[in-house]
Amino acid sequence: GAVVSQHPSRVICKSGTSVKIECRSLDFQATTMFWYRQFPKQSLMLMATSNEGSKATYEQGVEKDKFLINHASLTLSTLTVTSAHPEDSSFYICSAHNQETQYFGPGTRLLVL
Amino acid sequence: QKEVEQDPGPLSVPEGAIVSLNCTYSNSAFQYFMWYRQYSRKGPELLMYTYSSGNKEDGRFTAQVDKSSKYISLFIRDSQPSDSATYLCAMSVYGGSQGNLIFGKGTKLSVKP
Repeated sequence: GAVVSQHPSRVICKSGTSVKIECRSLDFQATTMFWYRQFPKQSLMLMATSNEGSKATYEQGVEKDKFLINHASLTLSTLTVTSAHPEDSSFYICSAHNQETQYFGPGTRLLVL
Repeated sequence: QKEVEQDPGPLSVPEGAIVSLNCTYSNSAFQYFMWYRQYSRKGPELLMYTYSSGNKEDGRFTAQVDKSSKYISLFIRDSQPSDSATYLCAMSVYGGSQGNLIFGKGTKLSVKP
């Protein structure tokens, strides 16, 4: 199956700082990538759709100025959590579209102190 | 009523047992149905992908879709301890090219040796 990587796998930061998470499709080109968030014992919730070369599309209730998404190439999308707060602590997972379905990265666990 | 309902479990079975995992849904427009396996602190891994109704088999895994009943199932034969994980059903109207995968909450499975 297709391989998607994420970096870092885990990050701890102080409240008010910004954190950047990278998502890469390693063996295929993805014009569309997706960012999800998963809280403990909850399902994945789509945050935004990232399109190469254009602005991301955010789901209702997701602040676009807080969660900055850049999809600069067909294999890389980044999510920057700006001015992170403890309530932003979660498991962030990206996925990349390949033909029929989505392949997920291993996730990034963010803890904001 | 949530769009996708999935019993969170936990479900505990002995090694070698047949496991049945299920999801129900309310949106009759769903056409694409997926099962993902998620190990603790990891991203979801695509197991099965089915379009419309019918059965699909892959090794020890069989996916069934009954659109008339809005019910999907995943069967695992000869279950192994390595199958212990959370299983997420997901479905969409338009396929993986759009981010609108709707996930169930996941069923946590434990296979005891």
